[in-house]
Amino acid sequence: DTLMTQSPSSLSASVGDRVTISCRASQIISNYLNWYQQKPGKAPKLLIYAASSLQSGVPSRFSGSGSGTGFTLTISSLQPEDFATYYCQQSYSTPHTFGQGTKLEIK
Amino acid sequence: EVQLVESGGGLVQPGGSLRLSCAASGFTFSSYEMNWVRQAPGKGLQWVSYISTSGTSTYYADSVKGRFTISRDNAKNSLFLQMDGLRAEDTAFYYCARHLVDRKGRRWFDPWGQGTLVTVSS
Repeated sequence: DTLMTQSPSSLSASVGDRVTISCRASQIISNYLNWYQQKPGKAPKLLIYAASSLQSGVPSRFSGSGSGTGFTLTISSLQPEDFATYYCQQSYSTPHTFGQGTKLEIK
Repeated sequence: EVQLVESGGGLVQPGGSLRLSCAASGFTFSSYEMNWVRQAPGKGLQWVSYISTSGTSTYYADSVKGRFTISRDNAKNSLFLQMDGLRAEDTAFYYCARHLVDRKGRRWFDPWGQGTLVTVSS
């Protein structure tokens, strides 16, 4: 199975900050990489697919980049509603494994 | 509106069985592959199972292979997960998720249902 490792596991930031979350795959996955946001008590929500494509309805402050084994999710200016847990997922091979998550908290 | 609604969760004893359902609406269910993903309380996401549009192809995580069975009824816009031989480590929220694919074969899950909680305990 492809192991997905996110860093950091948790992050404290302030409204207005620029934040970057990293995701590394244990093998090359091209750009078969997705990002999800999950708020407490809610289902995960798709933010970014195919490494850099913004899902419809997702604010443009979210962006994704990377290819091969290294990927990043960037939030350009944190808003109060962005405090949540973020997961990366590879879809290059089955099982479509997830990273362990990055919890973004208010500083 | 595209919507997925799970049901069927609950408390079950170790070794018991449970059948989860996922009702789909707002899209042509028969045209989409589907998945089950689970999340133990306070933990991360784990893909559980996949089913093709016709139901002829299925895949399972190693941790549930031989115990769980995914199926679908396209006439009733419904997805199912039959869970047998349940263990304490199967305790989790179970989400159904629509599987989307682009022409380059890249895949993602959207949307997800709200989840149903399965608790395995004596």
